[in-house]
Amino acid sequence: GAVVSQHPSWVICKSGTSVKIECRSLDFQATTMFWYRQFPKQSLMLMATSNEGSKATYEQGVEKDKFLINHASLTLSTLTVTSAHPEDSSFYICSASPDGGWTYEQYFGPGTRLTVT
Amino acid sequence: AQTVTQSQPEMSVQEAETVTLSCTYDTSENNYYLFWYKQPPSRQMILVIRQEAYKQQNATENRFSVNFQKAAKSFSLKISDSQLGDTAMYFCAFMRATSGTYKYIFGTGTRLKVLA
Repeated sequence: GAVVSQHPSWVICKSGTSVKIECRSLDFQATTMFWYRQFPKQSLMLMATSNEGSKATYEQGVEKDKFLINHASLTLSTLTVTSAHPEDSSFYICSASPDGGWTYEQYFGPGTRLTVT
Repeated sequence: AQTVTQSQPEMSVQEAETVTLSCTYDTSENNYYLFWYKQPPSRQMILVIRQEAYKQQNATENRFSVNFQKAAKSFSLKISDSQLGDTAMYFCAFMRATSGTYKYIFGTGTRLKVLA
């Protein structure tokens, strides 16, 4: 149980275009999901906390107009990288905490590798 | 603000040997959770072990155990009988126990290589 999927697993896009990444909790509901960014050989950097039915909470230094987050249901959160540039190339990981309090840890998706050319 | 420090960027261990990865953290909270996650080359984050701060007993999961020293704010991971499949990045993470808040603070990671 407690599986989180991400789609796509990798994507290549041209500079200036937008790309959407989906994060789904497959067997549990999650009011709260998280989006991380990870550069090669570095740790996970929290970008934002996604809350179902409300606006996301962004970490300091993260451009909310560039990284649009929509948490439209209890099993789906999306991250849209708008007007992507090569410096946005990175590995993006989502995670979710199951509702109901039966566990407090986060479950992670497999990640999405974004390359902007 | 809470911080998590992993002072060993890279470590190596011979297969079947034991290795300890260190993690220290700084917090003024009394109730919190600590985790060790493994990230193999596939980059899928896998939970290795977790510890609740209110529990004095150190957590154990098969070959993995922790040495939790609350007063010293230390949370080290011991891997016994190391296996080639243990080769991965290991991240220590801190989470406050505030209701409704599940935000992690990660350390910088330790790259562990198990040698045949």
